[in-house]
Amino acid sequence: GQQLNQSPQSMFIQEGEDVSMNCTSSSIFNTWLWYKQDPGEGPVLLIALYKAGELTSNGRLTAQFGITRKDSFLNISASIPSDVGIYFCAGQQGAQKLVFGQGTRLTINP
Amino acid sequence: GAVVSQHPSWVICKSGTSVKIECRSLDFQATTMFWYRQFPKQSLMLMATSNEGSKATYEQGVEKDKFLINHASLTLSTLTVTSAHPEDSSFYICSASEPTDTQYFGPGTRLTVL
Repeated sequence: GQQLNQSPQSMFIQEGEDVSMNCTSSSIFNTWLWYKQDPGEGPVLLIALYKAGELTSNGRLTAQFGITRKDSFLNISASIPSDVGIYFCAGQQGAQKLVFGQGTRLTINP
Repeated sequence: GAVVSQHPSWVICKSGTSVKIECRSLDFQATTMFWYRQFPKQSLMLMATSNEGSKATYEQGVEKDKFLINHASLTLSTLTVTSAHPEDSSFYICSASEPTDTQYFGPGTRLTVL
């Protein structure tokens, strides 16, 4: 099935560092979403983006919906241990179906 | 708000048996529910879309006779894995959609087929 190109696949950082990850697609999406998944759990919605160019923050998280509607990025500032997990981007074209990226696994060294 | 539950959270069964997984939206009515499968270290892959009161729409490559989906009410959808085999072992996750189209995910069900 269709997938988004999400990078990097994994990140190993020190606590307190900033994190940046992004997703690109060959298709246009009307909505971009960012989820976090902890081991053995379902994804939890972090940020939803509905308009091209939109920049939205949720605490230390900031995400943007690319102008071309084919990309999005997520930044995490001043990382803390509980940020560890897998982050997924997802695009939605309407009719509610989501297409997921491959995920970015974040590991934080204390 | 917007809580989705799944039951059971994990299940182990013998090859050839059938397993039913429930997905419930606890505090909202979900006209649409989705079923995903996730293999270790991989992303979520959509299996089927389920609308209340109608037949589910399956993604290409997903066997509808093997993965039976029932969405009998606005708060409950069930996935039955029939005649399960070891290759069906996976993490199954449902999501439910509010009228605003935001999808909220359940905690997942880990299926192990021996």
